[in-house]
Amino acid sequence: KAGVTQTPRYLIKTRGQQVTLSCSPISGHRSVSWYQQTPGQGLQFLFEYFSETQRNKGNFPGRFSGRQFSNSRSEMNVSTLELGDSALYLCASSPTGGHTDTQYFGPGTRLTVL
Amino acid sequence: GESVGLHLPTLSVQEGDNSIINCAYSNSASDYFIWYKQESGKGPQFIIDIRSNMDKRQGQRVTVLLNKTVKHLSLQIAATQPGDSAVYFCAETSGTYKYIFGTGTRLKVLA
Repeated sequence: KAGVTQTPRYLIKTRGQQVTLSCSPISGHRSVSWYQQTPGQGLQFLFEYFSETQRNKGNFPGRFSGRQFSNSRSEMNVSTLELGDSALYLCASSPTGGHTDTQYFGPGTRLTVL
Repeated sequence: GESVGLHLPTLSVQEGDNSIINCAYSNSASDYFIWYKQESGKGPQFIIDIRSNMDKRQGQRVTVLLNKTVKHLSLQIAATQPGDSAVYFCAETSGTYKYIFGTGTRLKVLA
């Protein structure tokens, strides 16, 4: 089975722009979660989607949004980029997002905001 | 590859020795715990998990110990190899569709 894929792998944007990142989960997985990873804050939960519904959201401003499509693929969007948004954005998938479902991570998208 | 933590605690271990990586978790309601390994330039990779109704679980060369009384988790790696060099994260969840990750420990294997 192919793993979680994320595109693009690297992005460079300038402050004020917006960006869309894409995640394709493992085939058959319907839950997709997004995390932001920075040296200072570590891995922080952004949001989780299942069957096109957001079930949980982390403590991030409204500039961070996401969605999930009927084929379980997911996108996240960051608007009005700030320098502090520079990070590795990781997507993880699991079969149902259930209590003891293991999340499997993609390689991440490295976003640099200049 | 990117840096996953400029000021991570570091554990240096001689090749062939055993490694023990510790993690204190925060939520007493958490009942599922996972250890991940992250190599430079890659996403976290699942190593082993444990449910709260267990206190020990073994995998291939790895063992996870859970002490719910003091909210402590540890990962033991037997016969540490150079390929084990990475950053290790523990994660906890209490069924709210999200994982909470620890800050991570960098493991360096010395030849």
